[in-house]
Amino acid sequence: QSALTQPASVSGSPGQSITISCTGTSSDFGAYNYVSWYQQHPGKAPKLIISDVNDRPSGVSNRFSGSKSGNTASLTISGLQAEDEADYYCSSYRSTHTLFVFGGGTKLTVL
Amino acid sequence: QVQLVQSGAEVKKPGASVKVSCKASGYTFNTYGINWVRQAPGQGLEWMGWISAYDGNTEYAQKLQGRVTLTTDTSTSTAYMELTSLTSDDTAVYYCARDRFSYSSTSIGHWGQGTLVSVSS
Repeated sequence: QSALTQPASVSGSPGQSITISCTGTSSDFGAYNYVSWYQQHPGKAPKLIISDVNDRPSGVSNRFSGSKSGNTASLTISGLQAEDEADYYCSSYRSTHTLFVFGGGTKLTVL
Repeated sequence: QVQLVQSGAEVKKPGASVKVSCKASGYTFNTYGINWVRQAPGQGLEWMGWISAYDGNTEYAQKLQGRVTLTTDTSTSTAYMELTSLTSDDTAVYYCARDRFSYSSTSIGHWGQGTLVSVSS
């Protein structure tokens, strides 16, 4: 059982927007703004798309955005494209021992 | 550009140990930490541990404490992950992944290509 809870699957049509939620506890999200999101295509390594709640690394499309409210973080993908079909994982930083916890992953299907 | 190149696939018997390497290039190795994350077949991501390439400090997931050892060789810009007492539950793709920011372990940035470790009798 993952420390962070994500929906198993979400879907949307090209051009639409979707949001993936990630729920944790105050230990995960309360003290820090160190929430990250990763995109993973089948057979590939994960790729960082958002860190620090809403910071996009260079080269990541501005169609990806993140937010956090209380113990829930969210990833929004706007203007869905076929290439966005992938698994998405959230992650939170913890300060000691177990530095990172991950969500169970969400499979995004572009209809 | 930042590259993390991992060693090849391994097949091990239960009870054995495995050591996976991760050779870094494209940045100053000893200014970033390296995380190790694994992914069992069809499953999600599991953080295993972190090592500072600056001073060798480590943090390990409680679940793996005592079985996993992370090391670095700054002369070759290579990080290593050794896992002992393997069981079938350790069958997974193992990734090394660099901290996104130097001297900061709060987010994981670049990932290696992954190394499949299969444990079977």
